[in-house]
Amino acid sequence: DAGITQSPRHKVTETGTPVTLRCHQTENHRYMYWYRQDPGHGLRLIHYSYGVKDTDKGEVSDGYSVSRSKTEDFLLTLESATSSQTSVYFCAISAVYTIDTFYNSPLHFGNGTRLTVT
Amino acid sequence: GENVEQHPSTLSVQEGDSAVIKCTYSDSASNYFPWYKQELGKRPQLIIDIRSNVGEKKDQRIAVTLNKTAKHFSLHITETQPEDSAVYFCAASLMYSGGGADGLTFGKGTHLIIQP
Repeated sequence: DAGITQSPRHKVTETGTPVTLRCHQTENHRYMYWYRQDPGHGLRLIHYSYGVKDTDKGEVSDGYSVSRSKTEDFLLTLESATSSQTSVYFCAISAVYTIDTFYNSPLHFGNGTRLTVT
Repeated sequence: GENVEQHPSTLSVQEGDSAVIKCTYSDSASNYFPWYKQELGKRPQLIIDIRSNVGEKKDQRIAVTLNKTAKHFSLHITETQPEDSAVYFCAASLMYSGGGADGLTFGKGTHLIIQP
């Protein structure tokens, strides 16, 4: 499974509480991504990281923050959870390879975290 | 930013027939186009991808075609089997020659149903 572990796998929390989701990789890949998946919307990018302490916003970043203090860990924090953040959250990783030129490997996804905000 | 449209949202085909899923993208700079398959309750898994310097790529029963001028790409599955039933997502992104990449922008998915 491409060495990606997401925790927790399931979480139920109350509106207004902070929540942190963890993505851990054992592949030493440079890039890590957080997506959310909702019916009718497909997968939407929240934030991504291109190295330790290097992060950037995606399409739906409002209400979320991220941190990457080590290559292997990428944390997603919901600062004050709302019901609209009920979703399945997927982490993905990608490497940078050098064959003639630099290029990125395909994204490989973790098994997801199902978050319910009541 | 990039916008990816995917059609149809649901596709039902008889086992053994072919299935075609189509996607269009808006950003002419995008140069990487993967397809993912997602079974119920599972993670998306890459099934095939194509880069903009190639017009077609095949892997056994699966093929992807890319028309850069029209900004559309398609997934073709031949001789469909029951295990092909799943949701399929197309995606597009820009991969930089220096080894960077924006995140993938996904279509909304196609639910492929293989009728026995």
